[in-house]
Amino acid sequence: GAGVSQSPSNKVTEKGKDVELRCDPISGHTALYWYRQSLGQGLEFLIYFQGNSAPDKSGLPSDRFSAERTGGSVSTLTIQRTQQEDSAVYLCASSPALNRGRVDEKLFFGSGTQLSVL
Amino acid sequence: AQSVTQLGSHVSVSEGALVLLRCNYSSSVPPYLFWYVQYPNQGLQLLLKYTTGATLVKGINGFEAEFKKSETSFHLTKPSAHMSDAAEYFCAVSEGAAGNKLTFGGGTRVLVKP
Repeated sequence: GAGVSQSPSNKVTEKGKDVELRCDPISGHTALYWYRQSLGQGLEFLIYFQGNSAPDKSGLPSDRFSAERTGGSVSTLTIQRTQQEDSAVYLCASSPALNRGRVDEKLFFGSGTQLSVL
Repeated sequence: AQSVTQLGSHVSVSEGALVLLRCNYSSSVPPYLFWYVQYPNQGLQLLLKYTTGATLVKGINGFEAEFKKSETSFHLTKPSAHMSDAAEYFCAVSEGAAGNKLTFGGGTRVLVKP
């Protein structure tokens, strides 16, 4: 596709349920990021995938959060046993590789998934 | 470790007036610095970035920012605000040549008054 695609665009769930959020990055982009934007807050880094390297999971707020990226393309962010404080917009971004193994810091963002935990 | 502080979560300017959005960072390595903008109902997009070289960088829509190492700042300016500049602006820092993960500030929402 032309841009980063995220689905669903909106998700309402009950406290305690598991949710899966999907991100389709721009084709060929080697880096993929997940961020969380809470109401009135900035963007909170969650996890970063770059090529075949081990992901940087340093931003995941608890062990209820996990993410995977299959085949170097699509990524799924899973939140288990959702809590009300998980309510936020979850943003995915991707960026292409530059030479010498670096990745362009110009991130292309998706429109996000608005998660509401009741 | 790196962090970004944006002074002022909301800024109100009159159309035609100077826009000044403040950003201070901390980084243990030479940083790369960025400003992203989020227009209403749109995704974030890159406004401008500093990596190396000239410390005054120009971006889209007439914005520019200056990297001041001594002040650990990367303030964003535009000489004359336009109604279309109403948006939320995010400053971000990466670890420069050491890595790509971006850390964002809390954002500053700009309101432009006619």
